Amino acid sequence: ETGVTQTPRHLVMGMTNKKSLKCEQHLGHNAMYWYKQSAKKPLELMFVYSLEERVENNSVPSRFSPECPNSSHLFLHLHTLQPEDSALYLCASSQGARPHYEQYFGPGTRLTVT
Amino acid sequence: DAKTTQPPSMDCAEGRAANLPCNHSTISGNEYVYWYRQIHSQGPQYIIHGLKNNETNEMASLIITEDRKSSTLILPHATLRDTAVYYCIVRVAWDAGNNRKLIWGLGTSLAVNP
Repeated sequence: ETGVTQTPRHLVMGMTNKKSLKCEQHLGHNAMYWYKQSAKKPLELMFVYSLEERVENNSVPSRFSPECPNSSHLFLHLHTLQPEDSALYLCASSQGARPHYEQYFGPGTRLTVT
Repeated sequence: DAKTTQPPSMDCAEGRAANLPCNHSTISGNEYVYWYRQIHSQGPQYIIHGLKNNETNEMASLIITEDRKSSTLILPHATLRDTAVYYCIVRVAWDAGNNRKLIWGLGTSLAVNP
């Protein structure tokens, strides 16, 4: 148990569906991250929020829309996804997005787009 | 960006030391080396990080060569629960605001055998 929870753990959705992934951290951190982990590929940083403001959007398609309503919660809204978006989506948090940060990861949401 | 090179897989006998190598020959003087691991079906877990000096914590030791072009993560007494993918990561700056991100590779898959 890392103090970062993600729901749902598994999600199957069609290309025309709209769904949301939720992440919650109980560590008092002020930075949160979304990563994508595809099979046989390195982790890809998608979004970074620091003090509830988005500080990084790493060339992510607009069909992925993040939301950070407060420092403990992070959402990833999904719509009109493609099969190649099937992957493990990981949420992480840290105390500050600046140097010397140690990131705590959730268990991930395994997403399958059919 | 500095990148790392790790062997794709390694084996280790239970109770023995596991020595995981990493090459980062293009690392800059102010870039840190981080190690994370990812146990199957879980999110990555922070292990240790360092800049120049050797570091030790309750999980592992990190040995960085004097020229900083390579490092070794040492698990002194490997157990079956240490079976995981181990990532050696260099933290690089991504914008003019001096924010940093971790550049992930594919890691080393360590199998600890009974």
